[in-house]
Amino acid sequence: DVKVTQSSRYLVKRTGEKVFLECVQDMDHENMFWYRQDPGLGLRLIYFSYDVKMKEKGDIPEGYSVSREKKERFSLILESASTNQTSMYLCASGGQGAKPQHFGDGTRLSIL
Amino acid sequence: GQNIDQPTEMTATEGAIVQINCTYQTSGFNGLFWYQQHAGEAPTFLSYNVLDGLEEKGRFSSFLSRSKGYSYLLLKELQMKDSASYLCAVESDSWGKFQFGAGTQVVVTP
Repeated sequence: DVKVTQSSRYLVKRTGEKVFLECVQDMDHENMFWYRQDPGLGLRLIYFSYDVKMKEKGDIPEGYSVSREKKERFSLILESASTNQTSMYLCASGGQGAKPQHFGDGTRLSIL
Repeated sequence: GQNIDQPTEMTATEGAIVQINCTYQTSGFNGLFWYQQHAGEAPTFLSYNVLDGLEEKGRFSSFLSRSKGYSYLLLKELQMKDSASYLCAVESDSWGKFQFGAGTQVVVTP
């Protein structure tokens, strides 16, 4: 079975802090994705990566950056956290070419 | 632009059948995927279609018509544990990016 592991289920941080969310997958997938999910807005893509050190902006990249130094690990960084970044963050990985994405358990992040 | 539409909510009785429709207009199409998401949990993959027709996986089936930009997920012999949100997603480019619908909340009543 595919395993996508996110470093924290719940996280509370303060406004202005730099926040790191980590994601690791064990299926040697090329693609990895970061989404946020908010009530009424569905899943929105923040960034994705199709290879090591490669990254592409998704629909809502502002206020975020990412890092993919190793194939299995994809990190999401909130450079200076703000209250409007309080959300559920979901990491996913998948193969290329009509393959399903598989999600981690999610990190519920609260910015106070 | 990209657009994926599905109903907001559906209610059905335990043991019944429910059909969740999804229509899409996307710049590209490589496949259509269905996910189940229970409250507070991550989406889990259910089924996908690349070619037209019906794919059956136990109590769940998914249908695709590419010419109509239409898919449905059929849930048979509904159980209480099937109460969840069901997400329709289209892989819209060659990089494997998905466009997700807002989800359909299915409520199963006794």
